Amino acid sequence: DSGVTQTPKHLITATGQRVTLRCSPRSGDLSVYWYQQSLDQGLQFLIQYYNGEERAKGNILERFSAQQFPDLHSELNLSSLELGDSALYFCASSDRLSWTGELFFGEGSRLTVL
Amino acid sequence: GESVGLHLPTLSVQEGDNSIINCAYSNSASDYFIWYKQESGKGPQFIIDIRSNMDKRQGQRVTVLLNKTVKHLSLQIAATQPGDSAVYFCAENGSSNTGKLIFGQGTTLQVKP
Repeated sequence: DSGVTQTPKHLITATGQRVTLRCSPRSGDLSVYWYQQSLDQGLQFLIQYYNGEERAKGNILERFSAQQFPDLHSELNLSSLELGDSALYFCASSDRLSWTGELFFGEGSRLTVL
Repeated sequence: GESVGLHLPTLSVQEGDNSIINCAYSNSASDYFIWYKQESGKGPQFIIDIRSNMDKRQGQRVTVLLNKTVKHLSLQIAATQPGDSAVYFCAENGSSNTGKLIFGQGTTLQVKP
């Protein structure tokens, strides 16, 4: 158990809809990262937050947004969903801003867009 | 563009044998590399990391080798066990100090009993 909790574990929705994925980082970790894992793209970095502030952005679509709340949990919002958004979405946390250490990954939220 | 790739998509080994998983990276600015293991239905799990000022690092039953000249990374698993069956990803930090890990596509390791 990595200590990172993600909900929901599975989500099935229709195109055009909006969903919110939630992540609770390990106790004490200030950095939260979101990754998307699809069959054809592998693990792709989406975005990083550190202590409530956005710190780095990857290949995140404009239809996607995220935030980190004062209690350090994070939410990833996916809107106007398309079939191609179907993927596993992972949250990871670490105890530092700069990336020179282990990321602890949650078990992911599997999104299926029909 | 930035990319990290793995040479073989699937590796099948006999239980007890040593496994070697290879990885090529393209960003010369990367100074930190990491191997993750992902079991079915789970998130990636840290195995071992190495900085660019090293060429070898050993852990418990695992060794990572880094060849910066040819931009090559490998993970060696000694005495492979059925529990080692998983997908293995190499990743690099690219030119950033943030969490923008660049992951390879992954190699599936199958351990035959």
